[in-house]
Amino acid sequence: AQSVTQPDIHITVSEGASLELRCNYSYGATPYLFWYVQSPGQGLQLLLKYFSGDTLVQGIKGFEAEFKRSQSSFNLRKPSVHWSDAAEYFCAVDSITQGGSEKLVFGKGTKLTVNP
Amino acid sequence: EAQVTQNPRYLITVTGKKLTVTCSQNMNHEYMSWYRQDPGLGLRQIYYSMNVEVTDKGDVPEGYKVSRKEKRNFPLILESPSPNQTSLYFCASSLGGPGEQYFGPGTRLTVT
Repeated sequence: AQSVTQPDIHITVSEGASLELRCNYSYGATPYLFWYVQSPGQGLQLLLKYFSGDTLVQGIKGFEAEFKRSQSSFNLRKPSVHWSDAAEYFCAVDSITQGGSEKLVFGKGTKLTVNP
Repeated sequence: EAQVTQNPRYLITVTGKKLTVTCSQNMNHEYMSWYRQDPGLGLRQIYYSMNVEVTDKGDVPEGYKVSRKEKRNFPLILESPSPNQTSLYFCASSLGGPGEQYFGPGTRLTVT
């Protein structure tokens, strides 16, 4: 079955530091990959997506992610973190179930704390 | 403004008392879905709908019902809520498949 692993449950960085959140997926075919962000008390918002083509994709709020097929990874990066980036981040893969339907499989999330 | 709305945002109820959480989107999206979010378990899909009158079970459908009589609305029904259904619930919609979903603000449900 398709799965998404986010190895880091919680990450703390200082404001202005760089950030990398890890995501590994298990999926046989070419995956459609997504990163979502959930700010405290809010729903999830799509940050960026990868369907095909250029393996480095740009998203909103200054985030980018790189798809590496050889490593089955889709890590999220930001060069300089702002205090407002404190949130929970979810990686997801769009997969086909055994029954042939399409579903989004989420990782369990990485909570980001930003220190001033 | 394009959005997914859920009501109520907060609900405290007692075991066995039927309740409905409404979900509405104004983007003419075909795909709608319900998730529950629990600490340590992440997001789990309850039900989804590919279009009007087409619904299907997600990963955790037990104890829930849905209907899709209109494109914009996708209510979640708990016929006989139990304490293990205490959770944060999200409705989401997307234009085609489930990938690029717009999420509602969430409904925090407590069943005592």
